[in-house]
Amino acid sequence: GAGVSQSPRYKVAKRGQDVALRCDPISGHVSLFWYQQALGQGPEFLTYFQNEAQLDKSGLPSDRFFAERPEGSVSTLKIQRTQQEDSAVYLCASSLNRYSNQPQHFGDGTRLSIL
Amino acid sequence: DAKTTQPNSMESNEEEPVHLPCNHSTISGTDYIHWYRQLPSQGPEYVIHGLTSNVNNRMASLAIAEDRKSSTLILHRATLRDAAVYYCSYDPGTYKYIFGTGTRLKVLA
Repeated sequence: GAGVSQSPRYKVAKRGQDVALRCDPISGHVSLFWYQQALGQGPEFLTYFQNEAQLDKSGLPSDRFFAERPEGSVSTLKIQRTQQEDSAVYLCASSLNRYSNQPQHFGDGTRLSIL
Repeated sequence: DAKTTQPNSMESNEEEPVHLPCNHSTISGTDYIHWYRQLPSQGPEYVIHGLTSNVNNRMASLAIAEDRKSSTLILHRATLRDAAVYYCSYDPGTYKYIFGTGTRLKVLA
């Protein structure tokens, strides 16, 4: 079946521009996570949704980062007034429910480069 | 703070078993341990997970220490396609899954 889909795969933006990254989770998956992955590092938690509710956004680096999942399926991560330190791979993952006995299914990420 | 610790890199010969260790001393009694692997330019791929007892699936085996403070991912016969970065991970009860820096596995032909 279809896995987690992220778009675009690559995004280049000039410093100060706004960007929007999209995640299509596996259909029926309740939980959705966003991670940031710097080069040579493991994924770092940004935010978590259970259906349409954003239950934790404590990993978002600043108030320039905003995420939403209005209908409990597709999610968008928005970064306003981008800075060079925002350059990273942004990963989205979904899982069947909120319990930790469920594996996460990851998309291939969006590689964001800020010039 | 919750964290996982893994060796930065390991090497194995093709067709030989590989044991990838992970220390997760801060884990609680109800947190599942997950393992993922990541190829270049791809997202992490689920490998296996477990709670207390050892687990097997078609990809690998997971051996969990009795005190649950460490675990070992076992690839029974490494192939060139197993070359990847392997991450152990768990949720410390806050949805904020912890991933360390992972172990880069190199498989020698």
